[in-house]
Amino acid sequence: GAGVSQSPSNKVTEKGKDVELRCDPISGHTALYWYRQSLGQGLEFLIYFQGNSAPDKSGLPSDRFSAERTGGSVSTLTIQRTQQEDSAVYLCASSANRDAVYAGELFFGEGSRLTVL
Amino acid sequence: AQSVTQLGSHVSVSEGALVLLRCNYSSSVPPYLFWYVQYPNQGLQLLLKYTTGATLVKGINGFEAEFKKSETSFHLTKPSAHMSDAAEYFCAVSKSGGSYIPTFGRGTSLIVHP
Repeated sequence: GAGVSQSPSNKVTEKGKDVELRCDPISGHTALYWYRQSLGQGLEFLIYFQGNSAPDKSGLPSDRFSAERTGGSVSTLTIQRTQQEDSAVYLCASSANRDAVYAGELFFGEGSRLTVL
Repeated sequence: AQSVTQLGSHVSVSEGALVLLRCNYSSSVPPYLFWYVQYPNQGLQLLLKYTTGATLVKGINGFEAEFKKSETSFHLTKPSAHMSDAAEYFCAVSKSGGSYIPTFGRGTSLIVHP
């Protein structure tokens, strides 16, 4: 498809398990972001990739969270030893290039809803 | 540091009435400001933006917002609400500290009554 694709759309897991969330950005977009949206909260920035530059990991809440972007395209967000407070909607977005980043032109996926029991 | 405050988690209006969604920002430098909209079961999409130049900016679907530096505000308005405007609206700010990664507010849910 033409938009940002995320999978799974819903994930229910048990506390302590690891989960992987996938993001397939718009083809050709160099920038990719992960945000988290908890109930009643705004979007919380997690990590940002731009081309081949080192990612900006300043928003990752703990060392249980990590993300990688392979080949400048698909990204995977991994949460290890999940906790109940990790329950949220995880949103991925992409931007075409640096100019689009500066202009705030982010294209969002529909998100992956994570529930930790 | 940069931040955004959206006043009111829910705003309810009648169809045809004025829509006003409030956003105040905090930024150490002249900011870039954005409004995003999230319709049910869809991803967020950019509604409008202010970067430089004219302080009154127009977006899609008849929405507009005005950057007021003296009030540190960027309120979103629409003269006449439609049922299809019912959605979650997010204000965002960027550019402070050299980072262009948007910082989002908590969102305001717009409810439109017939």
